[in-house]
Amino acid sequence: GAGVSQTPSNKVTEKGKYVELRCDPISGHTALYWYRQSLGQGPEFLIYFQGTGAADDSGLPNDRFFAVRPEGSVSTLKIQRTERGDSAVYLCASSSPGQNNEQFFGPGTRLTVL
Amino acid sequence: AQSVTQLDSHVSVSEGTPVLLRCNYSSSYSPSLFWYVQHPNKGLQLLLKYTSAATLVKGINGFEAEFKKSETSFHLTKPSAHMSDAAEYFCVVRLGGQFYFGTGTSLTVIP
Repeated sequence: GAGVSQTPSNKVTEKGKYVELRCDPISGHTALYWYRQSLGQGPEFLIYFQGTGAADDSGLPNDRFFAVRPEGSVSTLKIQRTERGDSAVYLCASSSPGQNNEQFFGPGTRLTVL
Repeated sequence: AQSVTQLDSHVSVSEGTPVLLRCNYSSSYSPSLFWYVQHPNKGLQLLLKYTSAATLVKGINGFEAEFKKSETSFHLTKPSAHMSDAAEYFCVVRLGGQFYFGTGTSLTVIP
C-alpha cells in the first residue's frame, strides 16, 4: 500500500463495550506507534512496537488498553469496557529503521463512546 | 521532563507577512527534529526534518527551519503566509525510538 491505513475510520460504541482498532503500516516499516488525540490537543503517545514486541507501552492509560502486532506488520489496539473519556481520534504511525527517519501517519480512527 | 516545548499555543498573522513558530527541545545530544502540520479533519503531514546534515532545513510549501544547538531551538519560518497555511503545527523530537510531540501551535492567517 501507498501509506498507513486505519480501519474503521469512525467507530461509535456504547459505554462498557469492547472495541478493536486496526492499523496497516507501510510495508517494510518495522516500527509502529499508536497515539491518541483529543479535541484541541496534540497526539498523546500510547505504545510503540519494534517488530512484534512492544518496545514501550508506558503511554497506555490503564489496563483496559492493550495492543498487539503478532506478525510484525498489522497492529490492533484493543479497548475493553470503554468509557466516555476514551472518545478521541486514535492515530497510528509507522517508521522505517534508522535514527533519522520520520513517522508516516494514518488518517486515524475517530472513536465515540456514548 | 518535557522534551519539546512550543512556546506559542496560538499565532495570528496577516496574509503575505512572515510566519514564525517557535520550538525548543531538551536533549543531551543532537536529536532528530521534525515539524508536522495538521489541517482541520486531515492527517498529520511532514513539513520538514532535521537530521544533522545541514542546520537550515527547507521543507514543503515554502517553510524552513533552522537548528540552533546553542539555543536548543528549531523554529519554523515562512517568508510570506498564505491562507492555506492556517492549520495546527507540531514540533517533534525523536530520541532513540520514541517521538515526542509538542503541544502544538495553531496558526491563523488573516486576509
